[in-house]
Amino acid sequence: QKEVEQNSGPLSVPEGAIASLNCTYSDRVSQSFFWYRQYSGKSPELIMSIYSNGDKEDGRFTAQLNKASQYVSLLIRDSQPSDSATYLCAVPAMFGNEKLTFGTGTRLTIIP
Amino acid sequence: NAGVMQNPRHLVRRRGQEARLRCSPMKGHSHVYWYRQLPEEGLKFMVYLQKENIIDESGMPKERFSAEFPKEGPSILRIQQVVRGDSAAYFCASSPRGGGQPQHFGDGTRLSIL
Repeated sequence: QKEVEQNSGPLSVPEGAIASLNCTYSDRVSQSFFWYRQYSGKSPELIMSIYSNGDKEDGRFTAQLNKASQYVSLLIRDSQPSDSATYLCAVPAMFGNEKLTFGTGTRLTIIP
Repeated sequence: NAGVMQNPRHLVRRRGQEARLRCSPMKGHSHVYWYRQLPEEGLKFMVYLQKENIIDESGMPKERFSAEFPKEGPSILRIQQVVRGDSAAYFCASSPRGGGQPQHFGDGTRLSIL
């Protein structure tokens, strides 16, 4: 059973600070990793994808991947109240069948 | 540049009725996935389809649930003889092909069973 685990939170971060979200996964052969943001009552929105070890930056978001430790993280710099949402880590099953296994999500609240 | 289109957005059914949920993938996308999100729970995979083929239905209950993605038209998730426990948000996602491409989600259908 492939698993994806996240800190459930809730995580509260002051506005302007860095929010750090963590995810671990059990399948060593996983090659792709995705972060989705889900506002309450809305659908998941893809915000980052990462495929190789190291950091990937996109605006205020940085994804970090360490395949040896089976760990992927998301950093949000200069946090804004609009970043308050649940963040979902997702890992595809395998090449040829990319059904996603989601973590339970981390609820993030940015405090003005 | 339309995204993944799902309808209806909200669906109310009485116990024992049938629910039909529709999903049109993004233009150029041939892979469709259905996920279910129960209240206060995470997203769970149900079924993965390509045109006219079910690739993986391991997450879909064996009874009452079925899915299709015909050559023409949207993908359909059908739930027969609905029960209260079927109340959930059902999301469809699509991707252009396999190989680890990210999936893009529709707005979902909120199914309520009276």
